[in-house]
Amino acid sequence: GAGVSQSPSNKVTEKGKDVELRCDPISGHTALYWYRQSLGQGLEFLIYFQGNSAPDKSGLPSDRFSAERTGGSVSTLTIQRTQQEDSAVYLCASSLGGDMPYEQYFGPGTRLTVT
Amino acid sequence: AQSVAQPEDQVNVAEGNPLTVKCTYSVSGNPYLFWYVQYPNRGLQFLLKYITGDNLVKGSYGFEAEFNKSQTSFHLKKPSALVSDSALYFCAVRPPGANNLFFGTGTRLTVIP
Repeated sequence: GAGVSQSPSNKVTEKGKDVELRCDPISGHTALYWYRQSLGQGLEFLIYFQGNSAPDKSGLPSDRFSAERTGGSVSTLTIQRTQQEDSAVYLCASSLGGDMPYEQYFGPGTRLTVT
Repeated sequence: AQSVAQPEDQVNVAEGNPLTVKCTYSVSGNPYLFWYVQYPNRGLQFLLKYITGDNLVKGSYGFEAEFNKSQTSFHLKKPSALVSDSALYFCAVRPPGANNLFFGTGTRLTVIP
């Protein structure tokens, strides 16, 4: 079946602009995660959605970052007033459920470059 | 605070030789442990996980990992390396009660023909 998809694959934006990154999880997966991968660093957790529960936003680095998940499926990560330090690869992952230790399936990522 | 350490940024091994990629963690309680692999220009792929039970877990592509509670380690191993195993490997932990994974900084494995 189809895996996790993300769009766009690459995004170049000017400092101060807003960007939206999209994630389509695997059908039937109730848990959805956003991570950020910066050069030379591991993956940094950003936000987690599980079904209709309130999202876990504990990883968002500032209030410029927000995310939503509509209808329990597609998710959008929004970065307002982008800064150069926001440049990274943004990865989305989904899994069967949040409570059980199911493996997470990752999308190919969106490479964001802020100039 | 939770942390995952991959002490080697780079591991080189000759094709056909055994390989080990090291991972240690610092987490309260009994975490779930994972290994992921990232090939160039591709997303992370799940390799294997430890939940409970036998300390030696087997995963995809002939990889296995050994959980050592006393040493808080979860090293990835393979008896005979292939050139196609060359990639970036990430160790990750999920602490008790947490939903997300905490990742190490990754180890680049190069298998030399």
